[in-house]
Amino acid sequence: GDSVTQMEGPVTLSEEAFLTINCTYTATGYPSLFWYVQYPGEGLQLLLKATKADDKGSNKGFEATYRKETTSFHLEKGSVQVSDSAVYFCALDRRGSARQLTFGSGTQLTVLP
Amino acid sequence: DAGVTQSPTHLIKTRGQQVTLRCSPKSGHDTVSWYQQALGQGPQFIFQYYEEEERQRGNFPDRFSGHQFPNYSSELNVNALLLGDSALYLCASSEIAGGRNEQFFGPGTRLTVL
Repeated sequence: GDSVTQMEGPVTLSEEAFLTINCTYTATGYPSLFWYVQYPGEGLQLLLKATKADDKGSNKGFEATYRKETTSFHLEKGSVQVSDSAVYFCALDRRGSARQLTFGSGTQLTVLP
Repeated sequence: DAGVTQSPTHLIKTRGQQVTLRCSPKSGHDTVSWYQQALGQGPQFIFQYYEEEERQRGNFPDRFSGHQFPNYSSELNVNALLLGDSALYLCASSEIAGGRNEQFFGPGTRLTVL
């Protein structure tokens, strides 16, 4: 079945540090890939997405590139801020049409001033 | 434009009881999906409703059931509650008819089973 594997956290960085959160997936066909962010006490917010190989999703300084050859969708940001502290979830939608999302276990990011 | 709304925010039940959670989708959306998020875990797909029918279902027992109304709002019902049902229940809406592949999530209902 489909699965998403994220790097285990928690991750603690100093402000303005470079961020990478690794995500790899297993799925048949050509899934759409997503990064969601969850702030304390809140639901999930879509951060960025990519729907086909080599697509780059970007938003708020975060980027991730859909790499089919390595089945990866790593999240990166060049300079993190304290306000980026949250839990980040990688997810896939195999049918690519807002059907069932399969999530990774999440990575807790804490950014220190 | 109101986003996805859920009620109640928090709920405390005891083992064996039944619970109903409610969700109103984002304006213009026709599909509602429900997810269970245990503490420290990623959300797990429960089921999805479209055109008032259950279209997909994850690996959850029949104690979990749902309903979608003509106005696209939805309910999640859980019978014979177990301690392990304690979790954050998330509702997500999307627009299947429009072919968009993005789900928008509500803030969730925190269910505690004692």
